[in-house]
Amino acid sequence: KQEVTQIPAALSVPEGENLVLNCSFTDSAIYNLQWFRQDPGKGLTSLLLIQSSQREQTSGRLNASLDKSSGRSTLYIAASQPGDSATYLCAFPPADRGSTLGRLYFGRGTQLTVWP
Amino acid sequence: EAQVTQNPRYLITVTGKKLTVTCSQNMNHEYMSWYRQDPGLGLRQIYYSMNVEVTDKGDVPEGYKVSRKEKRNFPLILESPSPNQTSLYFCASSWTADSPLHFGNGTRLTVT
Repeated sequence: KQEVTQIPAALSVPEGENLVLNCSFTDSAIYNLQWFRQDPGKGLTSLLLIQSSQREQTSGRLNASLDKSSGRSTLYIAASQPGDSATYLCAFPPADRGSTLGRLYFGRGTQLTVWP
Repeated sequence: EAQVTQNPRYLITVTGKKLTVTCSQNMNHEYMSWYRQDPGLGLRQIYYSMNVEVTDKGDVPEGYKVSRKEKRNFPLILESPSPNQTSLYFCASSWTADSPLHFGNGTRLTVT
């Protein structure tokens, strides 16, 4: 089974900083990876999905990269704002897709606080 | 509006009293799944479904049942709830196994 690690577990920064959140996994045979945002008491919102054939995806101030060989994905947040405060989670399916389409493993998330 | 709808949002019940949490999506998605989220343990998959009448176990299926009789609905059934099933539950759906996942707003269940 894949082991998923998100570092740091919590991060508190002043507004305007550029941030890097990390998601590490143990098996490099990864098909894709999603980054989510979760606001307190709410469901998760998919931010970016990177397929294994891609190296990165961008959406506005967010950029996610995937390096299968090193077992790592990073979420880069440019010019952070207080509205970015949330928990950010990564998730991906198991390598043995055959009979497990629909399975997903989640990291425990990085809780981000951006203060004015 | 495209969405995943879970009901109820909050539920308090007693041990052993059967309950059902409903989940419905209006996006014609093939894939649906249930997760529970617990402090310190993160988000864990309970069951998932690839299509109507096709379901499979996730990481923590014990004590739960699901059914997928229609494409849009994927109810989660607790036949005999116990206090260790107190948790925040999420339903999610997607077009394919490799598409962005859409989540409901969650159901906070307390079993006393």
